[in-house]
Amino acid sequence: GAVVSQHPSRVICKSGTSVKIECRSLDFQATTMFWYRQFPKKSLMLMATSNEGSKATYEQGVEKDKFLINHASLTLSTLTVTSAHPEDSSFYICSASSRQALLEQYFGPGTRLTVT
Amino acid sequence: AQKVTQAQTEISVVEKEDVTLDCVYETRDTTYYLFWYKQPPSGELVFLIRRNSFDEQNEISGRYSWNFQKSTSSFNFTITASQVVDSAVYFCALSEAGSSASKIIFGSGTRLSIRP
Repeated sequence: GAVVSQHPSRVICKSGTSVKIECRSLDFQATTMFWYRQFPKKSLMLMATSNEGSKATYEQGVEKDKFLINHASLTLSTLTVTSAHPEDSSFYICSASSRQALLEQYFGPGTRLTVT
Repeated sequence: AQKVTQAQTEISVVEKEDVTLDCVYETRDTTYYLFWYKQPPSGELVFLIRRNSFDEQNEISGRYSWNFQKSTSSFNFTITASQVVDSAVYFCALSEAGSSASKIIFGSGTRLSIRP
């Protein structure tokens, strides 16, 4: 099956700094990518949907100025957590789908962010 | 609005027992897709099944089986002869059908523990 990678898998940053998480589709063109957030022992909550070359669509309650999403190419989307705070600590998961296979959504392995 | 309810927060059974994970969904769409995912301690989501709303046939895959009943808006998942490796969090999820990739709405998850 298709592979989606995320980098880094784990990151620790200091409060007030920004951190960038990459999501790559390794063997297909990802026209749409999704970013989810998962708190410990909780479900996955969709943060935003991004289509290649367009601005991301954020879910209600997600601060677009804090969680910057860029989907500049068909194989890469990035999520930047700006001015991170301890409450931003979470597990971030991306998923990707292609125009040819809208029903197939491939999930990345996730990135665990810890803000100290 | 779409909603997925997994009423069982945690289930613990002894190895070799059968176990059923319940899932109830809500949607106004006539065409939709239902999913089950497994999330082991590593955090990576493992796709188990996708079922479209027009296919109510039950499905069996090895020790796994799924019972889809539109009349009760349920999509239950049964593991037969459970094994310790089945221990994980299981998510039921729902997605609309459409001309573009659709977001997946996840249930709150059921944490399954299989005791040796």
